[in-house]
Parts: sequence; C-alpha cells; structure tokens
Amino acid sequence: QQQVKQSPQSLIVQKGGISIINCAYENTAFDYFPWYQQFPGKGPALLIAIRPDVSEKKEGRFTISFNKSAKQFSLHIMDSQPGDSATYFCAASRGGTSYGKLTFGQGTILTVHP
Amino acid sequence: GAGVSQTPSNKVTEKGKYVELRCDPISGHTALYWYRQSLGQGPEFLIYFQGTGAADDSGLPNDRFFAVRPEGSVSTLKIQRTERGDSAVYLCASSLGAKNIQYFGAGTRLSVL
Repeated sequence: QQQVKQSPQSLIVQKGGISIINCAYENTAFDYFPWYQQFPGKGPALLIAIRPDVSEKKEGRFTISFNKSAKQFSLHIMDSQPGDSATYFCAASRGGTSYGKLTFGQGTILTVHP
Repeated sequence: GAGVSQTPSNKVTEKGKYVELRCDPISGHTALYWYRQSLGQGPEFLIYFQGTGAADDSGLPNDRFFAVRPEGSVSTLKIQRTERGDSAVYLCASSLGAKNIQYFGAGTRLSVL
C-alpha cells in the first residue's frame, strides 16, 4: 500500500521560474511532513519540514503548503536555479514508537534549465 | 568526518552469498535507521534502532535480513543468501533522537549478480 503519493514524476522549469511538487497521504496518524533533496550519488538531505498545526512554512526560496482536510501538501521552489536540479522526495511519519519511521513518496526529478 | 559514513560504497556479490553493510552514525546520535532505495523509487524503511535495541523492524522484508547495533553506535546490516532482487542502494540515517532530523549517508550500492 503506497501511503504517500507524489507528483509529478519529473518536472522541467526555466531558471527563475516556480517549481511545484505535490504529495498526498492516506494515514491520518501522520504528523510530520519533511521534504528531502537528493543529488546523484548522495543520500537525501532535509530541505524543510512542517507539522499539521500550521498551513504554510517558508524557508528562503522553499515553501511548504499543507492542507490537512485534503491530506495534501506541496513544495514550492521560488526563483528556481540550475543548482536546484535534483530529485525531491516528500515523506511523512507518525508519533509514538514509530516516530522516526519515514514513509517516502516516489520522488520528482527536477531539471532547471539556465 | 562529521557525517554518516557507510562502507563499502559499492558491493558486488553473487546470488546466494552473504553480505554485511556497515554504518557509522554521527557521534552522539542515539537513533539509527536503515532504508533501501531501489532505482527510481523513494527510500523504503527497513529498521530503526534506539540505542542498542531495534525499536521497529517492521520493514525488514524477510528473515534473510538482519541488523545489529551492539554498542549503540556502529550498525551492521546483514543479508543472507542474497537474491538478485536485493540489488538496491542501502541507506543509513542517524538522528539525535527519534523526534529529530534524520541525516543520511551516501549509501551502499549492492549489486547481486
């Protein structure tokens, strides 16, 4: 059962444009939603994360929008740069003893053209 | 180094062989996680340690997979009787505690021929 669905699979934007990646989850027990960035040959690195008590979180050019009722969240990358070209993963986890167990989406390959 | 270290970076083995993958977490991190990432997919949870004990091993696919963390620091993922379907990148992550940011290593790419 795929608990976190991510779209699109790939995305091409021009330098300076806005990149938008969407995720939907099924498990209402999830209460932590991070986004990870992964470059080829490297492990994922945390970009930004949100908890369901807020609807939006912004850090620099990166913004997470969260819609609890729709069970959806998205990553917006403003002023996209060629250096942002990477694979992006949304993820989710729940509290209790499984707190650290991250469930990842399938990933979005972002290409930013100069 | 200051990050999570995984060795070897690449491992090629033959079907049926036994392999061990090692993870050195960030110093002081009590929580350690193993994930498996198949080509074109997101990481898939395998097992989580809090200290020396496995707090959640629900992601281990079958009894050929086993992981240990005897002193609460370094962890070893062990795979017996490897199969071609085990080929993937095995990622290790660590965090200060279960509620903290997970920092990932670069992974071990396992190829089973």
